[in-house]
Amino acid sequence: NAGVMQNPRHLVRRRGQEARLRCSPMKGHSHVYWYRQLPEEGLKFMVYLQKENIIDESGMPKERFSAEFPKEGPSILRIQQVVRGDSAAYFCASSRSPRGSDTQYFGPGTRLTVL
Amino acid sequence: GESVGLHLPTLSVQEGDNSIINCAYSNSASDYFIWYKQESGKGPQFIIDIRSNMDKRQGQRVTVLLNKTVKHLSLQIAATQPGDSAVYFCAEFGRSGGSNYKLTFGKGTLLTVNP
Repeated sequence: NAGVMQNPRHLVRRRGQEARLRCSPMKGHSHVYWYRQLPEEGLKFMVYLQKENIIDESGMPKERFSAEFPKEGPSILRIQQVVRGDSAAYFCASSRSPRGSDTQYFGPGTRLTVL
Repeated sequence: GESVGLHLPTLSVQEGDNSIINCAYSNSASDYFIWYKQESGKGPQFIIDIRSNMDKRQGQRVTVLLNKTVKHLSLQIAATQPGDSAVYFCAEFGRSGGSNYKLTFGKGTLLTVNP
């Protein structure tokens, strides 16, 4: 049973370009969470989604960042017009049940570098 | 604001010794606490969790202790092995300041096991 999958594992973008990060949850999981990790820091919550719904986006920057989890296909974290400060590792997690009642399992992350 | 933090950023132990990693938290309304292990270049891996109504929980070679009086959490690893070398994060799950439930991570402790 495959775990949470993320791609690409590494992504390099120039300032002003768009970054698209994909996350496929574990089989049977319908709850997805995105986190950002800066070097030598813990993970910071960004957004929580269920299929076709954004449940909590309180950790998302107000501009340039968006997330979706369509009925079919992976969850996408999209960063428009990237800046150097967006360089970080972005982790996706999934759970079977709504958060609080079930463990979140993490993917390997996408390491974004903005030149 | 609410936060989860760690007393020691680095810990170096000899193979076979026991390791203790500590964590302080400030949100007394947290529902449960989780320890994650993160190896270089990988996503966080669930180790063990503990509900707020418990004070001790044991797993395979690991024990988590929760002291709600002083808001302190610790992870004990018995007979530490080189494969235990990683960054360990404590995380708390709960609501803070009327916000939605979310997982809040501490900064991490780097555990190095010397052969």
